[in-house]
Amino acid sequence: GAVVSQHPSWVICKSGTSVKIECRSLDFQATTMFWYRQFPKQSLMLMATSNEGSKATYEQGVEKDKFLINHASLTLSTLTVTSAHPEDSSFYICSADRGNGYTFGSGTRLTVV
Amino acid sequence: DAKTTQPPSMDCAEGRAANLPCNHSTISGNEYVYWYRQIHSQGPQYIIHGLKNNETNEMASLIITEDRKSSTLILPHATLRDTAVYYCIVRVAGQAGTALIFGKGTTLSVSS
Repeated sequence: GAVVSQHPSWVICKSGTSVKIECRSLDFQATTMFWYRQFPKQSLMLMATSNEGSKATYEQGVEKDKFLINHASLTLSTLTVTSAHPEDSSFYICSADRGNGYTFGSGTRLTVV
Repeated sequence: DAKTTQPPSMDCAEGRAANLPCNHSTISGNEYVYWYRQIHSQGPQYIIHGLKNNETNEMASLIITEDRKSSTLILPHATLRDTAVYYCIVRVAGQAGTALIFGKGTTLSVSS
């Protein structure tokens, strides 16, 4: 139980295009989900907290107009990287708050060329 | 949340016990010690957590010192698949709606 599905697992896109990453809780409802970014050989860095039915809360230094988060249902949060640039290439990971713990998605490797 | 300190890397031979230390000298009375691990290019995986008593599950054992200022995660019989980054996180339990904050962790390399 407590599975979080993240798609796609990897994506390559051209500079200037947008990419949407989905995070679904398969067997539980998640009022709150979190998005992290991880650069090579570094730790996970929290980008934003996504709350169902309300605006996301972004960490300092994360551009909310560039990283659009939508949490329209209790089982789905999406992260859209808009106007992607090579420096946005990274490993993006979502996490769902189960109330008694956290479950992480398997991550999305984004490469912007 | 209290700060934690972990060694950046450790090596372990396959089949031997891996003992990963974590210092959390500023831990407060209501903060738990959590351990997660991240295998390369995957999302983090929960391992175990505890408050003050030693804990054991099918994955590992957690030994917390009596003063709670440090702890050790023990993988009793390490395998190659245990090669990963291990994160020790200290936080109050039940903080629904607040994210886990990851430090740099310990990179454990298990070799045959």
